[in-house]
Amino acid sequence: RKEVEQDPGPFNVPEGATVAFNCTYSNSASQSFFWYRQDCRKEPKLLMSVYSSGNEDGRFTAQLNRASQYISLLIRDSKLSDSATYLCVVYILTGGGNKLTFGTGTQLKVEL
Amino acid sequence: GAGVSQSPSNKVTEKGKDVELRCDPISGHTALYWYRQRLGQGLEFLIYFQGNSAPDKSGLPSDRFSAERTGESVSTLTIQRTQQEDSAVYLCASSLRTVSGYTFGSGTRLTVV
Repeated sequence: RKEVEQDPGPFNVPEGATVAFNCTYSNSASQSFFWYRQDCRKEPKLLMSVYSSGNEDGRFTAQLNRASQYISLLIRDSKLSDSATYLCVVYILTGGGNKLTFGTGTQLKVEL
Repeated sequence: GAGVSQSPSNKVTEKGKDVELRCDPISGHTALYWYRQRLGQGLEFLIYFQGNSAPDKSGLPSDRFSAERTGESVSTLTIQRTQQEDSAVYLCASSLRTVSGYTFGSGTRLTVV
């Protein structure tokens, strides 16, 4: 089982739609969680951290369910510029150090 | 610097040659990661530095790969006797605190011909 699993998509949605991405992680010792965005042939950029209480940043809402080891990202009123790959990222403190593990990403295409 | 800087941005090398990739993290960032991303694939962890030490080298794919960091700053990733399967974008990321998000450099695109 992969440490971080995501539906690869693509999710094709019309402009203005609401879309949700899910992510599951296998290591219950995972400590911190993030969503990154990666545009084609660009480096990943931090979109938002994910907190246990859930958090919102404009049109983006992130949720964490530790019991189910599940993370979600909701995008409301999607824009053409939201088209990208969204990476679920989990931070794990291991005996050998620390590890930031990335899911393979979910591709979003927002269309007119 | 203002961001994470990687050099070269592109490198084409012949199979069997050695290459050295450089990462300049954001000043003061103690944690530094190297990742590899093959075309159309996810990010593959290579190595993690805390200061100049590498507590986790578990992602280095073979003994042809090595990395070092000096002065709690610049890091170099060296690939010896490059193979075609080494072709990928090599990304470096740094962070001030290990529990915070990481800032990535724009990567080095390595092509082995």
